Amino acid sequence: AQTVTQSQPEMSVQEAETVTLSCTYDTSESDYYLFWYKQPPSRQMILVIRQEAYKQQNATENRFSVNFQKAAKSFSLKISDSQLGDAAMYFCAYRSRGGADGLTFGKGTHLIIQP
Amino acid sequence: KAGVTQTPRYLIKTRGQQVTLSCSPISGHRSVSWYQQTPGQGLQFLFEYFSETQRNKGNFPGRFSGRQFSNSRSEMNVSTLELGDSALYLCASSLVSGGGGNNEQFFGPGTRLTVL
Repeated sequence: AQTVTQSQPEMSVQEAETVTLSCTYDTSESDYYLFWYKQPPSRQMILVIRQEAYKQQNATENRFSVNFQKAAKSFSLKISDSQLGDAAMYFCAYRSRGGADGLTFGKGTHLIIQP
Repeated sequence: KAGVTQTPRYLIKTRGQQVTLSCSPISGHRSVSWYQQTPGQGLQFLFEYFSETQRNKGNFPGRFSGRQFSNSRSEMNVSTLELGDSALYLCASSLVSGGGGNNEQFFGPGTRLTVL
């Protein structure tokens, strides 16, 4: 079975600075997808960024980018120019191409933005 | 286009009762997945329905069941409630089943179930 580990329960960053959230995963499959989801307090979970395992190029979405190291099974999220609205729980998630087990989530990282 | 809706948003039940939660997917989406979110276990996959058929199932007891209707709306049922079933139940919809890269899952606001 696949596992996703987020080793940072909580991170804090000053507004306008850059922060990196860590995620490692374990799988025996070669074709899969990785995701970062954001869950603001009392609000819906939304997709921040996705990465396809067969693509070597790291995904970017505006201020959000990932560092995908397939051999190391590492998938970190970098948030540049942090904003107050970035404060939320961030979940790293995995899904195989077949998706038989749905999304497998990490425990999450609580991101605090200091004004 | 309206997002994923879940009803009710909050629910209080007592042990031994049963409960039914509802999820309406985004128009045009045919797949609905259910997840349980608790502080201790985090987010865990319950099951996925596509075209009225259960396609995938997580590691939950048989007390947890679901179904999907022809309009893609889905219901989840938990029988003989236990204290440990207290959780936020999230529903997610997507165009089709499976983990394809463009098959993004859109989440609803969740139903907060409290079992007393």
